[in-house]
Amino acid sequence: NAGVTQTPKFRVLKTGQSMTLLCAQDMNHEYMYWYRQDPGMGLRLIHYSVGEGTTAKGEVPDGYNVSRLKKQNFLLGLESAAPSQTSVYFCASSYTTTASQETQYFGPGTRLLVL
Amino acid sequence: ELKVEQNPLFLSMQEGKNYTIYCNYSTTSDRLYWYRQDPGKSLESLFVLLSNGAVKQEGRLMASLDTKARLSTLHITAAVHDLSATYFCAVDTWVDSNYQLIWGAGTKLIIKP
Repeated sequence: NAGVTQTPKFRVLKTGQSMTLLCAQDMNHEYMYWYRQDPGMGLRLIHYSVGEGTTAKGEVPDGYNVSRLKKQNFLLGLESAAPSQTSVYFCASSYTTTASQETQYFGPGTRLLVL
Repeated sequence: ELKVEQNPLFLSMQEGKNYTIYCNYSTTSDRLYWYRQDPGKSLESLFVLLSNGAVKQEGRLMASLDTKARLSTLHITAAVHDLSATYFCAVDTWVDSNYQLIWGAGTKLIIKP
């Protein structure tokens, strides 16, 4: 199993450009998440999905959109990139039960630089 | 608003010593997570603590949870260089039907030979 993979690994954008980050998991997990990690800070949840076709906002959703058309894929879109979106983006997935939230498995991260 | 605070944020210690990292959170939650991150790498799950009084151990690391005090600890016993990393705790809860997973800022641990 590849686990959680992310594409691309690194990207440089100019302000105002758009891009899509792709996350894929092969563990048949229901839940998927997008985080950003900034220096000196913990991770912040951007959006998450509890299943195919459903998405929800996390802690810092502004400026991002997501889609979960297939269970194994979770896309994060930036419509008009801003320098404040320079960060490392992590995707994660988990298989939850109704009783508890299980551990999340993380992808390798995408480093995004917005000039 | 759910807040998660870790301390210390930075810790440099000698091999063979014991130390504890603390994680305080501000609202009720029964689930607390500990993760490890090596420099430039992704995050790796260490422990999931699901109830008050939960204690889990893996090698030289032991985590505990006190939901009444809203406190979790990660104890390192006889530290070795390989444990050098940044350690994060995270707490989850549901607010108005929205899931929130709030992370601490991380504790950067450097273990010197």
